[in-house]
Amino acid sequence: SQQGEEDPQALSIQEGENATMNCSYKTSINNLQWYRQNSGRGLVHLILIRSNEREKHSGRLRVTLDTSKKSSSLLITASRAADTASYFCATDEATRDDKIIFGKGTRLHILP
Amino acid sequence: KAGVTQTPRYLIKTRGQQVTLSCSPISGHRSVSWYQQTPGQGLQFLFEYFSETQRNKGNFPGRFSGRQFSNSRSEMNVSTLELGDSALYLCASSLALAGGVSYNEQFFGPGTRLTVL
Repeated sequence: SQQGEEDPQALSIQEGENATMNCSYKTSINNLQWYRQNSGRGLVHLILIRSNEREKHSGRLRVTLDTSKKSSSLLITASRAADTASYFCATDEATRDDKIIFGKGTRLHILP
Repeated sequence: KAGVTQTPRYLIKTRGQQVTLSCSPISGHRSVSWYQQTPGQGLQFLFEYFSETQRNKGNFPGRFSGRQFSNSRSEMNVSTLELGDSALYLCASSLALAGGVSYNEQFFGPGTRLTVL
């Protein structure tokens, strides 16, 4: 079963605007990661946030984690055309198993 | 440092055949994970290998198998192919020093696009 579910499924915004994507999950987790995938290519790791962290920044990216609501958000500020891609959250259940479960992703399209 | 490489990049097979995909991780990475990506199911975890041992396995039938060699290169095999096996197969490598893949960044290859006719 899917652990992470991204919302919205698709998002179109004007270049320069901020883009926010959300991820909800079902069970307790150790960490949550965000990845980006450009069309037809492999995934690129963006950021990892641990379950005891609430917010993390990396360049134009800001990730928040609310373990009480079992949700995370990814904010991309001052979007650029190159940000057009699919974005996935990946979670791991806080069990002995160490495997990552990906959501179905948000397709982000930056309009010129 | 060279990235993760996967061969072949594209593959066309017919139902009932078998296929072997190859993945070469980043030098020094000992963990290799495999994922299947389809439009309907998204990215699904197949299995993870670390130092030639399968550490974790997803919910796929026994037709899907893999192995890892002493140089960390990995192969996955799908036997008796079905139409539903058509997908992009992604390999990812990780240092996996502490706690495994969920604690470490994974580096993905470009994938192998498998089409089953």
